[in-house]
Amino acid sequence: GENVEQHPSTLSVQEGDSAVIKCTYSDSASNYFPWYKQELGKRPQLIIDIRSNVGEKKDQRIAVTLNKTAKHFSLHITETQPEDSAVYFCAASMIIQGAQKLVFGQGTRLTINP
Amino acid sequence: GAVVSQHPSRVICKSGTSVKIECRSLDFQATTMFWYRQFPKQSLMLMATSNEGSKATYEQGVEKDKFLINHASLTLSTLTVTSAHPEDSSFYICSARGDSGGGAREAFFGQGTRLTVV
Repeated sequence: GENVEQHPSTLSVQEGDSAVIKCTYSDSASNYFPWYKQELGKRPQLIIDIRSNVGEKKDQRIAVTLNKTAKHFSLHITETQPEDSAVYFCAASMIIQGAQKLVFGQGTRLTINP
Repeated sequence: GAVVSQHPSRVICKSGTSVKIECRSLDFQATTMFWYRQFPKQSLMLMATSNEGSKATYEQGVEKDKFLINHASLTLSTLTVTSAHPEDSSFYICSARGDSGGGAREAFFGQGTRLTVV
């Protein structure tokens, strides 16, 4: 079935270093790829997204790259700060049972060490 | 971004009772709403998709008679957990999406509801 694989499941980096989270998806027809940040007990918040007609998108310290041929996309956080610590989810928009749905990756718990 | 309000944020109920969770889009019309369940330290698992005025579409393995979904208007969807049992205890989150007329659009999440069945 349609699925999204996300790696790593946990990631620990020193403050100021970069963090990279990678996802692969199964449906080549997917055309929308959002990334969400979820803090403990709170709702997922959209932090950046990319559409299939774009290869890269950047917003300050956050960037996302998309390789449609390989069906993978990545989140890059530079100059990490303690407040970046959270769980990050990638997602891919897929047509399932005739409806457009977001399929989420398993999540990455990012810890920024001061 | 758009605002989605989910209520209640926490609920504790006795085993065998039913619990209703509301999801409202406050500043846009949500043609589609999604209900997710999230276990501790796990991802969001889609339970069902609801479109205004029609029956919800449930994911495989989700009991539609246990998790009743009503999308009565373009701004409100409800999830009722019927005859709740301790194994239904979880974090339930809704998300809402407007109609773009073509192309995928972002979905906005409610605050989530932590259900504890005792």
